[in-house]
Amino acid sequence: QSALTQPPSASGSPGQSVTISCTGTSSDVGGYNYVSWYQQHPGKAPKLMIYEVSKRPSGVPDRFSGSKSGNTASLTVSGLQAEDEADYYCSSYAASLIFGGGTKLTVL
Amino acid sequence: EVQLVESGGGLVQPGGSLRLSCAASGFTFSSYWMSWVRQAPGKGLEWVANIKQDGSEKYYVDSVKGRFTISRDNAKNSLYLQMNSLRAEDTAVYYCAREGMATIDYWGQGTLVTVSS
Repeated sequence: QSALTQPPSASGSPGQSVTISCTGTSSDVGGYNYVSWYQQHPGKAPKLMIYEVSKRPSGVPDRFSGSKSGNTASLTVSGLQAEDEADYYCSSYAASLIFGGGTKLTVL
Repeated sequence: EVQLVESGGGLVQPGGSLRLSCAASGFTFSSYWMSWVRQAPGKGLEWVANIKQDGSEKYYVDSVKGRFTISRDNAKNSLYLQMNSLRAEDTAVYYCAREGMATIDYWGQGTLVTVSS
């Protein structure tokens, strides 16, 4: 299976909102509600931010939200903060777990 | 607190072997599928393999089939990845990961594997 498609970069100013997309196919993103999002700071392990399209694990701020339409999932970060600057990866469970290529989020 | 601690990474020559280990704590290890995920330097994440709670089912990404073997010892709360016939393209940080909530919910800090002559 091919990797999911994410934009390589995104940016926003503190306090603004930014949305990162993740495009797959009807065999992965579009076919199941098993889309997740991970945040990864440099040199650190990924951290789960969103699972099952729009659910937040305990401890994840509600500034992070997820959605899906057709074969494209989205992560929205509202009220951007400096600590949100990181790489973000989407994933989808189909026959196996596949990831997007990652999006570097810059807080201007 | 869930903890996953990898070990066993290092420098190995092409064609060589390495065995990674992951010590799990803070949860009932035998109740979860477990995975290995890798990240090549400066690149994205790639799922490598996973194993069912009792070890009866194992799955691999095509690029490692026949070369890597995932296993677990529930009595020792440990996950393993035996890597044989290593190639330069296997160079990556290897993460031990717990599967939960239809995704990977916890990750270790990773261990670096470098395949080079």
